[in-house]
Amino acid sequence: NAGVMQNPRHLVRRRGQEARLRCSPMKGHSHVYWYRQLPEEGLKFMVYLQKENIIDESGMPKERFSAEFPKEGPSILRIQQVVRGDSAAYFCASSQTNYEQYFGPGTRLTVT
Amino acid sequence: GQSLEQPSEVTAVEGAIVQINCTYQTSGFYGLSWYQQHDGGAPTFLSYNGLDGLEETGRFSSFLSRSDSYGYLLLQELQMKDSASYFCAVISGSARQLTFGSGTQLTVLP
Repeated sequence: NAGVMQNPRHLVRRRGQEARLRCSPMKGHSHVYWYRQLPEEGLKFMVYLQKENIIDESGMPKERFSAEFPKEGPSILRIQQVVRGDSAAYFCASSQTNYEQYFGPGTRLTVT
Repeated sequence: GQSLEQPSEVTAVEGAIVQINCTYQTSGFYGLSWYQQHDGGAPTFLSYNGLDGLEETGRFSSFLSRSDSYGYLLLQELQMKDSASYFCAVISGSARQLTFGSGTQLTVLP
C-alpha cells in the first residue's frame, strides 16, 4: 500500500514563474491537507480538501495561491508569480479520520 | 485563534525518560495529536488523545487534560534514533483542522 506521494521532491523557480506541486493521497483516503514549513519552524496549515471540494482554505494566502483536488488525479497546489518568500517545504497529508494524518515526503521549493 | 506552546529544545541521554509538554488555547477543541519529524523528513504520526487520560504505544505515551488545556508526550528508554523534532497539534473546528506547535527539538546523547 503506497504512502502519500508528492512530486517533484525539489523544485527551483525564478521569481515571477509558476510553481505546481502535486500530491497523491494514500489509497482510500479522501481528505487532503497542504502545509507549509519554513526552516526551523512548525508546519502551517494552508488548505483542506476533499474530492472536488475545498473544505477549509483559511490558511491560504489570498493572492497567488490556489489548490484543487479533482475527481480524477492528484491534488495540486499552485503558486503563481512566485517570490523569494515562497521558498519553503510544502507537505501534503492525507487522512480518513482527520486526527491521524499521513504525510508525504514534501516538495522543497526554492525561488531564485 | 489557536495557539500552542511547547519547549523549543530538550536534551537527554540514552535510556532516560523525557516528557515534552504542550499547552494550548483553542476554540472548538476536538483532540491533541503528536508527530515526529527527523531533519528533512516527513512528519510521522505518533499518537492521538481525544479524551482525558493516558494513551500508550510502545515506548511512547501521550496524556491529555482537557480541563487544563494541557498534554504531554512521554518517551521512555530513549534511543539515539529518537533525536528529532516533536510537534503537538490541536484538532479543532468543524473541519477538524490541525494546528501545529512550533516543535521541540529532542537531542539524545550517548
